[in-house]
Amino acid sequence: EADIYQTPRYLVIGTGKKITLECSQTMGHDKMYWYQQDPGMELHLIHYSYGVNSTEKGDLSSESTVSRIRTEHFPLTLESARPSHTSQYLCASSVQGDGYTFGSGTRLTVV
Amino acid sequence: AQSVTQPDIHITVSEGASLELRCNYSYGATPYLFWYVQSPGQGLQLLLKYFSGDTLVQGIKGFEAEFKRSQSSFNLRKPSVHWSDAAEYFCAVGNLNDYKLSFGAGTTVTVRA
Repeated sequence: EADIYQTPRYLVIGTGKKITLECSQTMGHDKMYWYQQDPGMELHLIHYSYGVNSTEKGDLSSESTVSRIRTEHFPLTLESARPSHTSQYLCASSVQGDGYTFGSGTRLTVV
Repeated sequence: AQSVTQPDIHITVSEGASLELRCNYSYGATPYLFWYVQSPGQGLQLLLKYFSGDTLVQGIKGFEAEFKRSQSSFNLRKPSVHWSDAAEYFCAVGNLNDYKLSFGAGTTVTVRA
């Protein structure tokens, strides 16, 4: 069973609202990632972190921001949600030399 | 830059029949290669991985994959499919430098009785 947790699983929110998607892992992994997933498309890396106080933007430009204050916690924030942000967001963690462990995802709908 | 192509968007297979999912990657050096499976409403689960050594890799749930450097391929196979194998399958490539994975667009597998 995966030891990485994402909340909420589903979120419907109005345009202009600020939201934070939570991601926590209990495995002590240094590396954490956020991917955006749309139906029929590749997963796109939007943010990653190699440790506390380390965050980088991924290959896909995103208006979201992330923070990494604790090893186990990697939240993603949208300051002002728009319909174009509607998507599924997947959080993952890893150690060097192994595959990613994914959370169950947050499906975000902005209306 | 690294990338992955999964040529088949959707495959339908009969229960008990064999399954092969294609994956072609682009990467200049020795790649890390992965196959993941995603059931509806769930995250991705690692099926198997290739780093080096034996080019035929065994994974969970009876899956295997073969790395062919000359063809830049890493195809996934299962000899006999079960109805529970209906899901979406993603191939991914990574590297030793930054360990960011690039994913293909996925192949949806439907299993008919």
